[in-house]
Amino acid sequence: GAGVSQSPRYKVTKRGQDVALRCDPISGHVSLYWYRQALGQGPEFLTYFNYEAQQDKSGLPNDRFSAERPEGSISTLTIQRTEQRDSAMYRCASSPQATENEQFFGPGTRLTVL
Amino acid sequence: SQQGEEDPQALSIQEGENATMNCSYKTSINNLQWYRQNSGRGLVHLILIRSNEREKHSGRLRVTLDTSKKSSSLLITASRAADTASYFCATGIQGAQKLVFGQGTRLTINP
Repeated sequence: GAGVSQSPRYKVTKRGQDVALRCDPISGHVSLYWYRQALGQGPEFLTYFNYEAQQDKSGLPNDRFSAERPEGSISTLTIQRTEQRDSAMYRCASSPQATENEQFFGPGTRLTVL
Repeated sequence: SQQGEEDPQALSIQEGENATMNCSYKTSINNLQWYRQNSGRGLVHLILIRSNEREKHSGRLRVTLDTSKKSSSLLITASRAADTASYFCATGIQGAQKLVFGQGTRLTINP
């Protein structure tokens, strides 16, 4: 079956522009997670949803970052007024239940802010 | 901030040898998971061990967990060139659903 998909795979933008990153989780998965991964580092948690409810956004770096999952399926991570320090790989993951279990990761979106 | 510390940061061995990677963490956990990341690709889940388990096997993988020492190890036996990748431990923190990743071990298998 289809895994987690993310689009775009690569995004180059100029400083100050807004970007929207999309995640399409595995069908039927309850939980959806966003992580950010710098080169040579492990992924760092940003936020997660159970169904359409955002449960934890403690990892979002500042108020330029927001995420939504309005219908409990596809999610969008939006970064407003991008800065060079926002450049990273943004990874989405989903899991079938809202409990401890493995997370299935998408291929990521490589964001470069010039 | 990242909780896990992995040791070593990089490991290079000959094909056929065993590879051992260690992970230490700081807070109480529900489970600990290991993921593999091939160069430039996504993260693949390898194995999950719960806090009440001490050892788990999956094919050539063996994971141990010592909650008293807050540490885990991943052993890959009879390594192959295709095992070349970065390996990350990730902890499922008690009272939270998110995963907290370590910085990873870069494993290179030389033919």
